[in-house]
Amino acid sequence: SFVLTQPPSVSVAPGQTAMIPCVGDKVGGKSVHWYQQKPGQAPILVIYYDNDRPSGIPERFSASNSENTATLTISSVEAGDEADYYCQAGVFGGGTKLTVL
Amino acid sequence: EVQLLESGGGLVQVGGSLRLSCVVSGSTFSRYAMNWVRQAPGKGLEWVSIIDSVGNIVYYADSVRGRFTIARDNSKSTVFLQMHGLRADDTALYYCAKGDSSGPEGALDIWGHGTMVTVSS
Repeated sequence: SFVLTQPPSVSVAPGQTAMIPCVGDKVGGKSVHWYQQKPGQAPILVIYYDNDRPSGIPERFSASNSENTATLTISSVEAGDEADYYCQAGVFGGGTKLTVL
Repeated sequence: EVQLLESGGGLVQVGGSLRLSCVVSGSTFSRYAMNWVRQAPGKGLEWVSIIDSVGNIVYYADSVRGRFTIARDNSKSTVFLQMHGLRADDTALYYCAKGDSSGPEGALDIWGHGTMVTVSS
């Protein structure tokens, strides 16, 4: 079955750029969506169809998808971006905890 | 504003059954696919099942296929998840999530707050 693999954690200093990879066999041929989940809250959609942003999501959030890796990029990271991030293409990746140092 | 409200969770013994419901308000329910996603305590998200907008196409995760059944009643803007043969590893917070299209390939653009299912031995 199709599997998406994410690193368990990523750390970044405020103002820097965070990149969260999502690896899957030929994932570049699928539509990938990204979700943010803060503690005690339901997930919210932050990127859909590879690199579209729902209304209300800052332009600092972007993504790419090619060959075997999809990547969520968060530029000018803020303390409020600290959360778990999940990629999805049917199945979900295991999630990555973003820590803002 | 679109809102999803899940109900039906609770404590059940191994081998038991539960029926989850999710009522959707503020949206044309019959136009969109609906999903169930679960999250075991301290764990990541696991997609469980999807039903297309008219109820003709359903898919299940391998872990629940044959035990869970998804259904919808468009006249009541409600999606259901009937769960049989529950196991300890089905213990999780179950989220209802709206698809952004009628079919199974869309993003999950609106989520409920979840209903907790605890399976005990």
